[in-house]
Amino acid sequence: QQPVQSPQAVILREGEDAVINCSSSKALYSVHWYRQKHGEAPVFLMILLKGGEQKGHDKISASFNEKKQQSSLYLTASQLSYSGTYFCGTEMVNNYGQNFVFGPGTRLSVLP
Amino acid sequence: EAQVTQNPRYLITVTGKKLTVTCSQNMNHEYMSWYRQDPGLGLRQIYYSMNVEVTDKGDVPEGYKVSRKEKRNFPLILESPSPNQTSLYFCASKKRYEQYFGPGTRLTVT
Repeated sequence: QQPVQSPQAVILREGEDAVINCSSSKALYSVHWYRQKHGEAPVFLMILLKGGEQKGHDKISASFNEKKQQSSLYLTASQLSYSGTYFCGTEMVNNYGQNFVFGPGTRLSVLP
Repeated sequence: EAQVTQNPRYLITVTGKKLTVTCSQNMNHEYMSWYRQDPGLGLRQIYYSMNVEVTDKGDVPEGYKVSRKEKRNFPLILESPSPNQTSLYFCASKKRYEQYFGPGTRLTVT
């Protein structure tokens, strides 16, 4: 089952902050975040593992609350280059391997 | 340059005409995967492969086949394409956590 993301879309002015949320009805053991710019392939941003850790990538950081089965991506002082669609994803590990499931995405537009 | 390549990048075909989309990676990754991307649905996994000769279904495998005879290649086969398989397809390879995506193949089935 796909993770749920909110909001579906957000429009910001350069320099503003944004939060993108990801939640799952199934237990999350890890959360992956990817960004896809228009017309391009998705690019890995970061992974969060069990333990409630927070990671960062420049002015983009994320948190993971495994008890609530939620993750949030924080974009601080947004830049024009942050525009794109953000996907969260998680691995479903079974006897055969690792099935990977992405959320539907959140479209972020940063305006000058 | 480390990369995942896909061919063709664009394809228009007719219902029922078998086709193959190739995927190749030069990073010696064991894990490879195919996704389709449709508006509002995000990326959905079709098949994945943990290693040579080891493949398994993802969330949307119906109508697709794969094979993994060599570590670097992971072709996607549509035996009898239908219009509902019109989509943007991505191949990816992974080492540990990070997936590296190919440039995508836009397929239209009429």
